[in-house]
Amino acid sequence: KNEVEQSPQNLTAQEGEFITINCSYSVGISALHWLQQHPGGGIVSLFMLSSGKKKHGRLIATINIQEKHSSLHITASHPRDSAVYICAVDEGGNQFYFGTGTSLTVIP
Amino acid sequence: GAVVSQHPSWVICKSGTSVKIECRSLDFQATTMFWYRQFPKQSLMLMATSNEGSKATYEQGVEKDKFLINHASLTLSTLTVTSAHPEDSSFYICSARVGRTLFFGPGTRLTVL
Repeated sequence: KNEVEQSPQNLTAQEGEFITINCSYSVGISALHWLQQHPGGGIVSLFMLSSGKKKHGRLIATINIQEKHSSLHITASHPRDSAVYICAVDEGGNQFYFGTGTSLTVIP
Repeated sequence: GAVVSQHPSWVICKSGTSVKIECRSLDFQATTMFWYRQFPKQSLMLMATSNEGSKATYEQGVEKDKFLINHASLTLSTLTVTSAHPEDSSFYICSARVGRTLFFGPGTRLTVL
């Protein structure tokens, strides 16, 4: 069993749609990260969460510590949002667990 | 935000040769850096944690004699793939932590012929 499970694995959406990517984890966490990886390979850290909710532009990340679940939402999706989104759990002490990623394609 | 660079961005080598990949923190000091590898259409796999001035901590199943890590300064960690073989072909990525935020290098694509 993976320590971090993401769903869906693949997602295709029409431009403008509201998108949700889910992440469930089974380990104790110090923080949870949402990462974005573009086709060229570069990875950007979108959010670091330890509780509650964060918003940055059209992106919203939430976490429920009791349920061990986090979601990444993209409002008014755009083709430039097409990327792989990875959930990473920081257990603390430099121990990280990565989800398998969600490949998002937004069609114009 | 903090910038992490990697060099080279891609490398092709013959089987049996050794390849060194550099990871630099450009505008901050990083006592800890992380090395990952990523196979096509798969997520990141943490290989090791690189600690400045001390030995790296390797994840289970990663051969420390195969993947040599040196973190000689607060801004530079190197990963050397020794006696590379085609199965070592992969995308290698480093990251550094600033507080709790992770900053990633752009990655190095290694192809071993």
